[in-house]
Amino acid sequence: QVQLVESGGGVVQPGTSLRLSCAVSGFTFSRYVIHWVRQAPGKGLEWVAVVSSDGRNKYYTDSAKGRFSISRDNSKNTLYLQMNTLRAEDTALYYCARTENDFWSGFYVWGQGALVTVSS
Amino acid sequence: QSALTQPRSVSGSPGQSVTISCSGTSSDVGGYKYVSWYQQHPGKAPKLLIYDVSKRPAGVPDRFSGSKSGNTASLTISGLLAEDEADYYCCSCTGSYSMVFGGGTKVTVL
Repeated sequence: QVQLVESGGGVVQPGTSLRLSCAVSGFTFSRYVIHWVRQAPGKGLEWVAVVSSDGRNKYYTDSAKGRFSISRDNSKNTLYLQMNTLRAEDTALYYCARTENDFWSGFYVWGQGALVTVSS
Repeated sequence: QSALTQPRSVSGSPGQSVTISCSGTSSDVGGYKYVSWYQQHPGKAPKLLIYDVSKRPAGVPDRFSGSKSGNTASLTISGLLAEDEADYYCCSCTGSYSMVFGGGTKVTVL
């Protein structure tokens, strides 16, 4: 059974850091491009970042550039999102999502999300 | 990158058809085949309904169909069922190695 399980969320103060993890099972992790997508409470979906199957290519939404870093450890079947200098507007449920064929074709499988709350 | 434009809400009676539009620009929807659609029920993760403008993943009923004309993509739900009441989001890649979602459309089954 294909599964993505996010962890590492929590309540943090503005300006601090947090690292999210996405542990996968049920498929060959190293073959797939994986994205992070977030959803602020009561709001719509927002794409955050993507990493290629081999970890070499990474792309970010403008608000994440310079603050967030996406990475993966294919030996551990785990995706990461390192988030620095967090802001109140980063408060959201963060989903990891797997593609099927290429970077941009769509998000085929989703995790259940990890909640990040940035508040003083 | 500005969000794609979707109507806030659409409604229909059971058995009817509804269409949700997703308006973008030539730099996103109009420029690429990578338009996808998602259904999200309250408290649940989104579910892929349509990818590459009009393709359906295995297991998605053929009541759901996608299309595109110029800078506007559309999702049509035929034979509306009570279980189709949910939020729907479109998504497109852009010319700057990123993706952008629409603001979401709430579908109400009357």
